[in-house]
Amino acid sequence: QKEVEQDPGPLSVPEGAIVSLNCTYSNSAFQYFMWYRQYSRKGPELLMYTYSSGNKEDGRFTAQVDKSSKYISLFIRDSQPSDSATYLCAMKYSSYKLIFGSGTRLLVRP
Amino acid sequence: NAGVMQNPRHLVRRRGQEARLRCSPMKGHSHVYWYRQLPEEGLKFMVYLQKENIIDESGMPKERFSAEFPKEGPSILRIQQVVRGDSAAYFCATAPGNTGNTIYFGEGSWLTVV
Repeated sequence: QKEVEQDPGPLSVPEGAIVSLNCTYSNSAFQYFMWYRQYSRKGPELLMYTYSSGNKEDGRFTAQVDKSSKYISLFIRDSQPSDSATYLCAMKYSSYKLIFGSGTRLLVRP
Repeated sequence: NAGVMQNPRHLVRRRGQEARLRCSPMKGHSHVYWYRQLPEEGLKFMVYLQKENIIDESGMPKERFSAEFPKEGPSILRIQQVVRGDSAAYFCATAPGNTGNTIYFGEGSWLTVV
C-alpha cells in the first residue's frame, strides 16, 4: 500500500465549477500537508500548506485536513481554464522528506 | 519557482553515457533536495544535501547515481552509464533550513536516454 493515495483522474469540469481534489494517507505520523500545482513540463508550485485539522482558505483555494480520517482535500472555487494542471498533494513528518501523491490531472473546459 | 535554477532543461544521452544535472539554489538557501518524476507518476525523493554534506540519500539508486553540493557552485546530480529507465524529469528543490515547510522547486531537467 502506498503511503499517499491520489486519484490520477483526469478530472474534467466546466468553467466556473467547484473542484474537489483528494488524497488519503496511511501514516498517522504525517503532520504537514501541502498542495502543489504543476503545469506540463514545469516544476511544482506550492499552492497551500497546512499542519492542523480543519480548513485553510486562500483566495479561490481551500485546503481541508481531516487527520482522524487521514484524508486531505483541495477545493477550487470558480474554476478557470488556467487552473488546468496536475495537482499534487504532499505531506511529511516533522523532518524534511516530502512524500508526494501521484497527482490528479484537472481539465477546466471553457 | 523563481530563483531555483536548473540546467540543462533538456538533455539527451545515449545509453552508457553520463548525465550531469545542475541546481543553483535560491539566494539564502543552503538545503537542496533532488526528486525524480517518471511519466504519469508523482515525485520520488532521491537525496537531501546541505553544503558539502549528504544528509539522506535513501532514495538514490545504489549504483550509477551520485550527488554533491560543494562549498562553492551548484549542486550536481550525476548519473553514470545511463540506461533507458533513467529517462525522467529530475527536479531540484531548495529551502533555507531543514525544518522549513516551504521548499521551492526548480523547473526541472528532462533527461531522455536513447
